[in-house]
Amino acid sequence: NAGVTQTPKFQVLKTGQSMTLQCAQDMNHNSMYWYRQDPGMGLRLIYYSASEGTTDKGEVPNGYNVSRLNKREFSLRLESAAPSQTSVYFCASNRGGGGSTGELFFGEGSRLTVL
Amino acid sequence: AQSVTQLGSHVSVSEGALVLLRCNYSSSVPPYLFWYVQYPNQGLQLLLKYTSAATLVKGINGFEAEFKKSETSFHLTKPSAHMSDAAEYFCAVSSGGSNYKLTFGKGTLLTVNP
Repeated sequence: NAGVTQTPKFQVLKTGQSMTLQCAQDMNHNSMYWYRQDPGMGLRLIYYSASEGTTDKGEVPNGYNVSRLNKREFSLRLESAAPSQTSVYFCASNRGGGGSTGELFFGEGSRLTVL
Repeated sequence: AQSVTQLGSHVSVSEGALVLLRCNYSSSVPPYLFWYVQYPNQGLQLLLKYTSAATLVKGINGFEAEFKKSETSFHLTKPSAHMSDAAEYFCAVSSGGSNYKLTFGKGTLLTVNP
């Protein structure tokens, strides 16, 4: 009954360090997403993968890269972390494909602090 | 392009009072609309969704929302607030089709006073 699993849940980085957030879903969903949540800003889409083998930029992609490793896994990489990337990151997935309404299933979030 | 506006970043009600959280959307095609709830330090959980069937949608925990096309609104209501309803609520819109990206509002923090 895992759904969407994100690791790590908490991370502190220094400016300029790199890290990768991992996400895995066990619902056989086609589409996966990375959002960031900041106070008063709601959720903003960073990158998404509509299907295995494809990735596309969202609203705020600068400073991030993603990899859709297989159908289950979608990782988010910060190559050179900046304080502006301090945020809570959410991975989400949905069924995708014809007939999907776009309902998202979310992980519990990864809280990242960049000093 | 699609967008969502949630009126009021913070709503405070007394326990037992009506809850009304406002959401207006814009979309160039018939939308799918969602309300999500986020409890402290947790992910987002779906409350309810509108997918072009009945315009009055019932969700979990006694919440419901009504899709009004003429007003481009999808307000969330609950007749009687409970302390456990204290959380942040997000309205979201999706245009469906081949583009499944959800666009979220900025959220409304609901406080329930005893």
